[in-house]
Amino acid sequence: TAGITQAPTSQILAAGRSMTLRCTQDMRHNAMYWYRQDLGLGLRLIHYSNTAGTTGKGEVPDGYSVSRANTDDFPLTLASAVPSQTSVYFCASSEVGGTYNEQFFGPGTRLTVL
Amino acid sequence: AQTVTQSQPEMSVQEAETVTLSCTYDTSESNYYLFWYKQPPSRQMILVIRQEAYKQQNATENRFSVNFQKAAKSFSLKISDSQLGDTAMYFCALNDGTSYGKLTFGQGTILTVHP
Repeated sequence: TAGITQAPTSQILAAGRSMTLRCTQDMRHNAMYWYRQDLGLGLRLIHYSNTAGTTGKGEVPDGYSVSRANTDDFPLTLASAVPSQTSVYFCASSEVGGTYNEQFFGPGTRLTVL
Repeated sequence: AQTVTQSQPEMSVQEAETVTLSCTYDTSESNYYLFWYKQPPSRQMILVIRQEAYKQQNATENRFSVNFQKAAKSFSLKISDSQLGDTAMYFCALNDGTSYGKLTFGQGTILTVHP
């Protein structure tokens, strides 16, 4: 079982360009999340989705958009990248309503915006 | 809004010794979940241990245990018999049980185990 996959592993992007980070899970979890990790700040929630067809804003949503067309995929799009979006991005999923609401994380994407 | 604070940016310990990582949190909910995640240099997030707020007994997973003080809103992680493979960033995280599983993370503590 792959769990959660993310692509690409890393990327260097010119400021002003757009990019989509991909996330796919094979656990049939209903909830998915996008976090960004910055040194000294921990992980912060960007967007989330409780079920296919619905999305919500997290703590730091500005400059990012998401969609949830089906259960398995949850892409994150940067419409016009800025250097402050340089970060490591993690996708996660969980079975909401499960015993512990444990989240499972993908391997992360390191994005550098120049 | 819920918050999680880890006040120790870095910690170090000798192999086979015991170390405690601190975490405090704030939430207005009475039933919630607390987690410690480990992030080794590989970047993978690994769940170490979890605690349900309504359980008074402290969770234990092999060499890892927690000291959960609900009234003080404190959730520290104790690592016994530290091993070189414990070297990692450790994150404390809170799920308040009402936010569809969304986690609030602390800033992280870098733990280095020395031989």
